Amino acid sequence: DQQVKQNSPSLSVQEGRISILNCDYTNSMFDYFLWYKKYPAEGPTFLISISSIKDKNEDGRFTVFLNKSAKHLSLHIVPSQPGDSAVYFCAASETSYDKVIFGPGTSLSVIP
Amino acid sequence: DSGVTQTPKHLITATGQRVTLRCSPRSGDLSVYWYQQSLDQGLQFLIQYYNGEERAKGNILERFSAQQFPDLHSELNLSSLELGDSALYFCASSQTSRLPNEQFFGPGTRLTVL
Repeated sequence: DQQVKQNSPSLSVQEGRISILNCDYTNSMFDYFLWYKKYPAEGPTFLISISSIKDKNEDGRFTVFLNKSAKHLSLHIVPSQPGDSAVYFCAASETSYDKVIFGPGTSLSVIP
Repeated sequence: DSGVTQTPKHLITATGQRVTLRCSPRSGDLSVYWYQQSLDQGLQFLIQYYNGEERAKGNILERFSAQQFPDLHSELNLSSLELGDSALYFCASSQTSRLPNEQFFGPGTRLTVL
């Protein structure tokens, strides 16, 4: 049973446009969400996070939106750059339960 | 460079064998996590250690075991290997054991079981 889902395995976006990566979760006890980015032959790197007490967190070109009632979060990248081409993992955790659950990832290609 | 090192980078072995994967966390980090990434799968959490003690367990098979040593490096032992154990194994570290925290990942060890 996949608790964190990323239903789009891949996404292609033109340089300069907005990239929107989606993530859905099933466990209502999740209270902290993270996005990681992974380049080939490297480990994932932390990108941005959001606590369940917020509905938006912004860091430069990256914004994460959380809709708790829909159990849905999204990562917006504006403007998209070719260097953003990578696999993006959505992850969720329950602070009372020491595990982080990762989604299967979405491969983003930003076309110059 | 995350500061987390993993050796070896690649490992090719046969079914039934046993291998050991090694991880050195970032300087100052007390927590080490192990993850498995199979083809088309997300990162599956295996196990977490904090300052030498097991803290949390995920989907780790009984054939797998791990430990964290006094110098804080960690080893993941995989035994009686099966074809399905072929995967990327990542180690991550963080300063604390409590979530939420930011985990820093190593480059991974690619295990191929033939």
